[in-house]
Amino acid sequence: EVQLVESGGGLVQPGRSLKLSCVASGFTFSNYGMNWIRQAPGKGLEWVAYISSGSSYIYYAETVKGRFTISRDNAKNTLYLQMTSLRSEDTALYYCARGITDFDYWGQGVMVTVSS
Amino acid sequence: DIQMTQSPASLSASLGETVSIECLASEGISNDLAWYQQKSGKSPQLLIYAASRLQDGVPSRFSGSGSGTRYSLKISGMQPEDEADYFCQQSYKYPWTFGGGTKLELK
Repeated sequence: EVQLVESGGGLVQPGRSLKLSCVASGFTFSNYGMNWIRQAPGKGLEWVAYISSGSSYIYYAETVKGRFTISRDNAKNTLYLQMTSLRSEDTALYYCARGITDFDYWGQGVMVTVSS
Repeated sequence: DIQMTQSPASLSASLGETVSIECLASEGISNDLAWYQQKSGKSPQLLIYAASRLQDGVPSRFSGSGSGTRYSLKISGMQPEDEADYFCQQSYKYPWTFGGGTKLELK
């Protein structure tokens, strides 16, 4: 059974940093591109970042480019999102999701709240 | 960025009714379109990819169609478990973008 389990969220002050993790199981993690997608409370979905299976290709939404870094450790079956210079508008539920063009498996999400 | 305009924002359907949700892209996306269902408090689930291909395990009452800039999701026979939010998503050009969502309720 495919499972994606996010962790690392919490309450953080504006301007500070936070690192999210997503541990994958039930499939060969190193064969798949992975994404972070977020959803602000009561709002729609926003794609945040993508990393290819071997980390050769990385793409970001303009809203996070230069502040967020996506990475992965295939030996640990883990996807990461390093978030710096956090803003109130980054407050959202962050999902990791498998796929290149569409997302066939999603984690349960981890909440990030940016507030003083 | 490619803008995805979804309509309606909300609708209410009776049991067994056929429902249609539309998605309009700001430019042609060559069938690079997916549909997701998100039930209350849950993660989104992939229903349709490549505009019309049904994801494994999704009931056949769900179908997708369209071309160019106009796409639609049809539910042929509303069921109680179909009450959810629905989102379209384009994968023609980065950044991938989603529609604003449609809230579907059972009347």
